[in-house]
Amino acid sequence: GAVVSQHPSRVICKSGTSVKIECRSLDFQATTMFWYRQFPKQSLMLMATSNEGSKATYEQGVEKDKFLINHASLTLSTLTVTSAHPEDSSFYICSATTGDHTGELFFGEGSRLTVL
Amino acid sequence: GQQLNQSPQSMFIQEGEDVSMNCTSSSIFNTWLWYKQEPGEGPVLLIALYKAGELTSNGRLTAQFGITRKDSFLNISASIPSDVGIYFCAGPRAGGGNKLTFGTGTQLKVEL
Repeated sequence: GAVVSQHPSRVICKSGTSVKIECRSLDFQATTMFWYRQFPKQSLMLMATSNEGSKATYEQGVEKDKFLINHASLTLSTLTVTSAHPEDSSFYICSATTGDHTGELFFGEGSRLTVL
Repeated sequence: GQQLNQSPQSMFIQEGEDVSMNCTSSSIFNTWLWYKQEPGEGPVLLIALYKAGELTSNGRLTAQFGITRKDSFLNISASIPSDVGIYFCAGPRAGGGNKLTFGTGTQLKVEL
């Protein structure tokens, strides 16, 4: 159990376009999901908390108009990188918790974004 | 803010050797989590620790929650090539519920 899946796993886009990444909890309901970003050879940095049915909360320094998050159902959160630029190229990873144990998160496979 | 420092930063060991890595913080954590990340993949939860002094095993992996609640250790016995990856410790932020702070990571490479 506790499987989180992301799509797409890799995406390449042109500068100025928008890219949507989906995160699904496959076998449980997640009222809260988290989006992380990871640069090469670095740790994971929390970008935002996605709340089902309400607005996402963003970490300091993360542009909410740049990284649009929608959590329309208990099993799906989407991250849209708007007007992407090369510096947005990164590994984006979502996670969710079953709620059984505080802090115990399950992560998706990650999505590698490359902006040309 | 809360920071988690891991050491060593990287390790190059021979197959069959035991591995030890640690994670330290300047502040107290009430939960310690150890994750493994392979290239191009998301982190996978290995072990979760909930009580100071707790020692928990998962196969060849053993992790301990430090008594001071400011550190944790992960040991891997008899390493094999598939142990290769980056190991991260993580803990919930103070007042942050399920928001995790991740450590700096320890990269493990295993020589045949």
